[in-house]
Amino acid sequence: GAGVSQSPSNKVTEKGKDVELRCDPISGHTALYWYRQSLGQGLEFLIYFQGNSAPDKSGLPSDRFSAERTGGSVSTLTIQRTQQEDSAVYLCASSLGFEAFFGQGTRLTVV
Amino acid sequence: AQSVTQLDSQVPVFEEAPVELRCNYSSSVSVYLFWYVQYPNQGLQLLLKYLSGSTLVKGINGFEAEFNKSQTSFHLRKPSVHISDTAEYFCAVSERTSYDKVIFGPGTSLSVIP
Repeated sequence: GAGVSQSPSNKVTEKGKDVELRCDPISGHTALYWYRQSLGQGLEFLIYFQGNSAPDKSGLPSDRFSAERTGGSVSTLTIQRTQQEDSAVYLCASSLGFEAFFGQGTRLTVV
Repeated sequence: AQSVTQLDSQVPVFEEAPVELRCNYSSSVSVYLFWYVQYPNQGLQLLLKYLSGSTLVKGINGFEAEFNKSQTSFHLRKPSVHISDTAEYFCAVSERTSYDKVIFGPGTSLSVIP
């Protein structure tokens, strides 16, 4: 596609439910990132995929968070048993080497 | 591993005044450097980048940045700001050696006052 696509754009969920956030990177981009941005805060790194290498999961805040990337393309970020502190904008970015291109994000609200 | 520091979390400036947003990085190898901008309720977009060559880099909307290797800095400047420049600005670094992941600074919130 022309850019990084994220879905849904907005998600409201009840505390304790699981959610899945999707990211379609730019075709051919080997690197994919997930970041979290809480209200008025900076970018919190979550996870990084690069080609066929093992993902860098060092930023995942707890074992409730996981992500996978199928076929080196689409990625899904899963949050299990959501908590209110998980409310944030989740940003995905893809890259072919150095410059990162961002999607518009998914705004997650846990009520 | 590389890291990025943006010492100023908030910068208020009057319209038409000059502005400088500071960025310092730490890395043991050569790097690529970036500035991204995030306008209110929007995603991040690239403002400018330094890959090689001239240390003075010009970007969109009249912004420029200068790479200073000895001071490990990549400060962003604009000689005259507009209200529309109000946004969050993020400095980022990527190490050249292995196309390693891009590391972002904490961001600087620029508020332009009419």
